[in-house]
Parts: sequence; structure tokens; C-alpha cells
Amino acid sequence: GQNIDQPTEMTATEGAIVQINCTYQTSGFNGLFWYQQHAGEAPTFLSYNVLDGLEEKGRFSSFLSRSKGYSYLLLKELQMKDSASYLCAVLDSNYQLIWGAGTKLIIKP
Amino acid sequence: IAGITQAPTSQILAAGRRMTLRCTQDMRHNAMYWYRQDLGLGLRLIHYSNTAGTTGKGEVPDGYSVSRANTDDFPLTLASAVPSQTSVYFCASSESGEAGYTFGSGTRLTVV
Repeated sequence: GQNIDQPTEMTATEGAIVQINCTYQTSGFNGLFWYQQHAGEAPTFLSYNVLDGLEEKGRFSSFLSRSKGYSYLLLKELQMKDSASYLCAVLDSNYQLIWGAGTKLIIKP
Repeated sequence: IAGITQAPTSQILAAGRRMTLRCTQDMRHNAMYWYRQDLGLGLRLIHYSNTAGTTGKGEVPDGYSVSRANTDDFPLTLASAVPSQTSVYFCASSESGEAGYTFGSGTRLTVV
């Protein structure tokens, strides 16, 4: 079966750095996405990785290791507005997105 | 319209009633999707359409039907609602798999 695992909830302090991990086992791989979802809102696109390595985009970076079936999302200089759920999703061999259950990130002052 | 529009925003529905959730996009994306999102379970695919005139079943299709008469519209119908269909429903579209999905703002449905 297909499976994507990420922690249910994490807590971090404003101004700090947090790393959200995602491991996956899917039928085929055509890329991995990270989405941000604020409470009561729709998911919005953060990043896409298809090759191994680190992609940096401002305060957010995403890393992929295809051989390990592993990705992480790194958030730096945390702000209160970063409190949200972060969803990991893998594009499988049929080009369908398989979603993790999401990681709820709580930022404390 | 900009992006994807879903209607209604929220609805309370009596069990046994029929309900259609509307989804319209103006980006000319070929692929469209319907998801439900429940606490602790993440997004689960109900039905999808890769192009106008075609539809397919996702992970949780029972009790739901869809149609794709044209590129822009992808309505989701609950023929006879049951309380387990209480959820937040998101419509999404995609130009290509690698481009990711654009989501509508969601419909919060409560079946009582």
C-alpha cells in the first residue's frame, strides 16, 4: 500500500527553526510537495522537489532523499503567522497526489 | 472569478437529502479533484477527472457521484446524505501533476 508519515503535532518558539519530517512509501515517485494550511482555509503550495537535495525559498527550505523515501521542510525565523498545518504529498506513478495527514505546527511567543 | 470557486461555503443538511456541491475554475486546467478532509485523516480523494468528459473513482467514492460536462465545472453530488459524510470538502485543479494543485476555499457540510 501507499503510506506517508509525518508527525501529528509540533511546537516551536517564535524566532527559532523547526524541521518537519516526512517519510513515504508509494507506488512510483514523480515528486514531493509541501503545502501549508491555516485553520479553516484551503491548502496552499509551498514547495516541490523531484531531485535529491535542498530547495531554498526565503525562510522555507525543502529537502528530498529519494533513496531514503524522506523529505523535510525547514522553517527559519519562525513567525506567529507560521502557525498552521503542513501537508506532505507525493505524486505517484499515476500522477495522483497521495497526502499525509499533516503536521500541526504551534508557534509560541 | 479567479482560480477555483466552491459553493456553498457551508451547509447543514438533513440525512437522506440530495445535495450538489459546486466547483468552477477559470484556469482552463484539465484535471480536477474532489477531496474530503477529516480531523486526523488528512485529505482523501473522492473522485477525479483528468479531462472534460472523463471521471474516475478515488479512495472514498461510495455515496458520491461527479460529472465533467466541460472544462470549467466539476460538481459533486451526494445522492442521499448520511451523517458520516459530515466533512470539509475541497475541490482542486491542476494543469499538470508536477505543477501541483490549486484548491478552492472549501465547503463545510454537516449532515444531521
